[in-house]
Amino acid sequence: DAKTTQPPSMDCAEGRAANLPCNHSTISGNEYVYWYRQIHSQGPQYIIHGLKNNETNEMASLIITEDRKSSTLILPHATLRDTAVYYCIVRVAGTGGFKTIFGAGTRLFVKA
Amino acid sequence: GAVVSQHPSWVICKSGTSVKIECRSLDFQATTMFWYRQFPKQSLMLMATSNEGSKATYEQGVEKDKFLINHASLTLSTLTVTSAHPEDSSFYICSASASGAIRTDTQYFGPGTRLTVL
Repeated sequence: DAKTTQPPSMDCAEGRAANLPCNHSTISGNEYVYWYRQIHSQGPQYIIHGLKNNETNEMASLIITEDRKSSTLILPHATLRDTAVYYCIVRVAGTGGFKTIFGAGTRLFVKA
Repeated sequence: GAVVSQHPSWVICKSGTSVKIECRSLDFQATTMFWYRQFPKQSLMLMATSNEGSKATYEQGVEKDKFLINHASLTLSTLTVTSAHPEDSSFYICSASASGAIRTDTQYFGPGTRLTVL
């Protein structure tokens, strides 16, 4: 079973920041928070991941609470092409058979 | 970098035939590959974990004799759906976990293969 809880859907206006929340209250000390997104009929795309510090890359920012029980993915200036299902996943990092188990995700609709 | 390809991107076959789907890591070596299945409007469901040179590990409820997985090299894994039936129609997605100098802490996903069994 997925270890995360996300709202089923969210709307965002084009050009505004999209803030996608995720609860992972049972996260273990060696588990990372990963975010992927899936645009319709495509494979999932890696966005960002982090352990306990906030992270930022060219796509998004990841804010993890101090107790690590929740996090927020921020798309700073959402565009119509950001409409997708966003998955928050917790898992151990590294090579080998560390499975990525997907939950239901959040369906983000970016509207003009 | 870290590109995963799948072939074919879509396939239509008759009931009872077998279909092979290839998953390749194009610019990195993948010691571990994963196979997922996704039905319409549902999330991805992990089917099996494939390690190079060894037998795949199947998730509970996935028939290993029906979904044959071969991971013969560090850049190629294949999924063969044997004796396909209409209920096997689905979107099949593979992912690869990198080894070596490429980022070792994330998985990269292929574009998926849509299988339709008539």
